[in-house]
Amino acid sequence: GNSVTQMEGPVTLSEEAFLTINCTYTATGYPSLFWYVQYPGEGLQLLLKATKADDKGSNKGFEATYRKETTSFHLEKGSVQVSDSAVYFCALYRRDSGYALNFGKGTSLLVTP
Amino acid sequence: DAGVIQSPRHEVTEMGQEVTLRCKPISGHDYLFWYRQTMMRGLELLIYFNNNVPIDDSGMPEDRFSAKMPNASFSTLKIQPSEPRDSAVYFCASLSHEATNTGELFFGEGSRLTVL
Repeated sequence: GNSVTQMEGPVTLSEEAFLTINCTYTATGYPSLFWYVQYPGEGLQLLLKATKADDKGSNKGFEATYRKETTSFHLEKGSVQVSDSAVYFCALYRRDSGYALNFGKGTSLLVTP
Repeated sequence: DAGVIQSPRHEVTEMGQEVTLRCKPISGHDYLFWYRQTMMRGLELLIYFNNNVPIDDSGMPEDRFSAKMPNASFSTLKIQPSEPRDSAVYFCASLSHEATNTGELFFGEGSRLTVL
């Protein structure tokens, strides 16, 4: 079946450090891939997405590239801010597997001043 | 346009009581999802509806859980009787028909349930 594996947290970084959160997936065919972000006490918000191989999603300085050959969708940001502290979820969607998203377990990020 | 609206935001109840969580999806969205979030299990899909009809309820934990969608703008998730292990954050999400190729779900802010 479809599944998503992302790196365990928590991840603690100093402000302006480089961020990578790894995400790999298992699925047949070509799923859509997403990163959602959950700020403390809030719901999930779409951060970025990619719908086909080699697509790069980007938003708010975050980027992720859909790599079919390595079945990966790693999240990166060149310089994190304290306000980026949140939980980040990688997710997969395949329409012919039902219309729901399969989520990874989430990675907690804490950015310190 | 308003997003997905959930109520209550917080609910504290005692074991054995009935709990009802409510959701209003984004207007015009054809699909509605209920997810549960816990530290141990992460985000789990409980059930989803298409045009008010339940399509997949295989994630509903047991008979104590039930969900309904009487019309396109309202859904409920009911737990009766509630147990401490039901303590979690319950999220509602919706999806438009136009987005079914790409799968962009919109989430509510969640209902945090604590069962004592």
